[in-house]
Amino acid sequence: GAVVSQHPSWVICKSGTSVKIECRSLDFQATTMFWYRQFPKQSLMLMATSNEGSKATYEQGVEKDKFLINHASLTLSTLTVTSAHPEDSSFYICSAQRTSAYNEQFFGPGTRLTVL
Amino acid sequence: LAKTTQPISMDSYEGQEVNITCSHNNIATNDYITWYQQFPSQGPRFIIQGYKTKVTNEVASLFIPADRKSSTLSLPRVSLSDTAVYYCLVGDYNQGGKLIFGQGTELSVKP
Repeated sequence: GAVVSQHPSWVICKSGTSVKIECRSLDFQATTMFWYRQFPKQSLMLMATSNEGSKATYEQGVEKDKFLINHASLTLSTLTVTSAHPEDSSFYICSAQRTSAYNEQFFGPGTRLTVL
Repeated sequence: LAKTTQPISMDSYEGQEVNITCSHNNIATNDYITWYQQFPSQGPRFIIQGYKTKVTNEVASLFIPADRKSSTLSLPRVSLSDTAVYYCLVGDYNQGGKLIFGQGTELSVKP
């Protein structure tokens, strides 16, 4: 149990286009999901907290108008990178929090975004 | 959120026990300690979580001293497939569940 999926697993796009990444909790409901970004040889950096039915909370330095987050249901959160540029190329990872005594977070497999 | 400090890298050989220690001097009363494993181009995978003393599961043990200012992840008899980055995280999961990743420890297991 506790499986989180992401789609697509990789995407290549042209500069200036928008890209949507989906994060789904397959066998549990997740009121809260998180989005991270990871550059090569670096640690994960938390971008935002996604709450079902409310606006996302962004970490300092993350542009909310560039990284649009929608958490429309208890099993789906989407991250849209708007007007992508080469510097947005990165590995994007989501996690979903399962409500329990420890509120464990389970991570998706990640999405590799390459902006040409 | 409590900051964590881990060794940047460690080397080991197949069949050995590996212990990775993490410092978290500013851990709060309600914080839990969680360890994740990450392979290249994959999302982190939950290994183990604990609050105090010792926790053991089928893949690892977690040792937490009484003052909780550090913790040690113990991997018994590692294999080549345990080569990965290991992250120690501290957080109060009843307060929004935010996880702030530190640099992690890159474990290299050699034959």
